[in-house]
Amino acid sequence: GAGVSQSPSNKVTEKGKDVELRCDPISGHTALYWYRQSLGQGLEFLIYFQGNSAPDKSGLPSDRFSAERTGGSVSTLTIQRTQQEDSAVYLCASSLAPSRGETQYFGPGTRLLVL
Amino acid sequence: AQTVTQSQPEMSVQEAETVTLSCTYDTSESDYYLFWYKQPPSRQMILVIRQEAYKQQNATENRFSVNFQKAAKSFSLKISDSQLGDAAMYFCAYRSRIQGAQKLVFGQGTRLTINP
Repeated sequence: GAGVSQSPSNKVTEKGKDVELRCDPISGHTALYWYRQSLGQGLEFLIYFQGNSAPDKSGLPSDRFSAERTGGSVSTLTIQRTQQEDSAVYLCASSLAPSRGETQYFGPGTRLLVL
Repeated sequence: AQTVTQSQPEMSVQEAETVTLSCTYDTSESDYYLFWYKQPPSRQMILVIRQEAYKQQNATENRFSVNFQKAAKSFSLKISDSQLGDAAMYFCAYRSRIQGAQKLVFGQGTRLTINP
């Protein structure tokens, strides 16, 4: 596609339910990033995938958060047993190989509201 | 760990005037990248301009330019001839060049309002 796409655009869920957020990166981009944007914490890094390497999960806030990237393309961020503090905009970005210093291009985000 | 600070939560400027947004950062690295991203109400983060730390020349993109002061760890964004479409949140971001540390570290953002 022309840019990074994310779905759903908005998601409302009840506390305790699981949610899955999807990111489809720009074709040919080997690196994929998830960030979270919330009022209290600003923009935070969550997880980073690069090719077939083990992902950098250092930003995941708890073990309720996980992500996978299938076939080096589409990624899914899963939040289990959602809590109200998980309410935020979840942004995905992709880039060519970071070793080349490539810019990260962002998707439109998924706004998650946990009631 | 690197940190990025934007000390101006909000700024406003008259249409067609010039405005400068401030950003400072803290790092022990000598080579890195700095970025300014724009986020309009649509939520889409859009790259405005980027600077490579090893380059002394300040980056420019049309009406957007930066003042990169490496010793002072300062990276301000100047917007000339401001337009209504420039209204948005602006984020300054740092990226390491160290392998495996390529995440973006963002500042808190500056909300820019353009007055007609």
